Amino acid sequence: QGQLVQSGADVKKPGASVKLSCKASGFTFNNYPLHWVRQAPGQSLEVMGWINAGNINTRYSEKFQGRVTITRDTSASTAYMELSSLRSEDTAVYYCARDSYDRGFDIWGQGTMVTVFS
Amino acid sequence: EIVMTQSPATLSVSPGEGATLSCRASQSVSSNLAWYQQKPGQAPRLLIYGASTRATGIPARFSGSGSGTDFTLTISGLQSEDFAVYYCQQYDTWYTFGQGTKLESK
Repeated sequence: QGQLVQSGADVKKPGASVKLSCKASGFTFNNYPLHWVRQAPGQSLEVMGWINAGNINTRYSEKFQGRVTITRDTSASTAYMELSSLRSEDTAVYYCARDSYDRGFDIWGQGTMVTVFS
Repeated sequence: EIVMTQSPATLSVSPGEGATLSCRASQSVSSNLAWYQQKPGQAPRLLIYGASTRATGIPARFSGSGSGTDFTLTISGLQSEDFAVYYCQQYDTWYTFGQGTKLESK
């Protein structure tokens, strides 16, 4: 069925950057796009961006354009999301999720809590 | 950006009864609509994709319907584990989620 395991919680100061990881197992990593989705406390979900299978193309939400970078290491079956110029509003749980094409986001990581605190 | 609006924000239903959750898109998303369930402290879980197809392992008491701009998630015979927050998501143009409906036990 597959699994995504994310890195642990992190605390950052405003202006810093954070880089999160998402390791895949149980499926062919290169065959699926991976999304990064964030959820601020008590709020809904928003897609920050995604990285395509195979050709390493990326696409980002306009809201995060210029601050977010998504990469993947196929040899390690791991995707990464780096968010820069952190501010308090970036405090949230960050999820990675597998895109099963027209069948929704079918596998999710457990989430990583990022707290931006001065 | 396509805005997804869910109603009601909170729904109180007794166990064993049925529940109907609504989701409306600000423009047509065809059938590119998914439903997710999220419990406190957990990641979302895919329930429905393509507006009406149950994901793997999802019980038959969950059903989805609709196309274009209006969608419905119906849960029949509510069980204790069904009380959670439900989100709709369109994946027709980029990806946007509704604000969620909290389904609570009456």
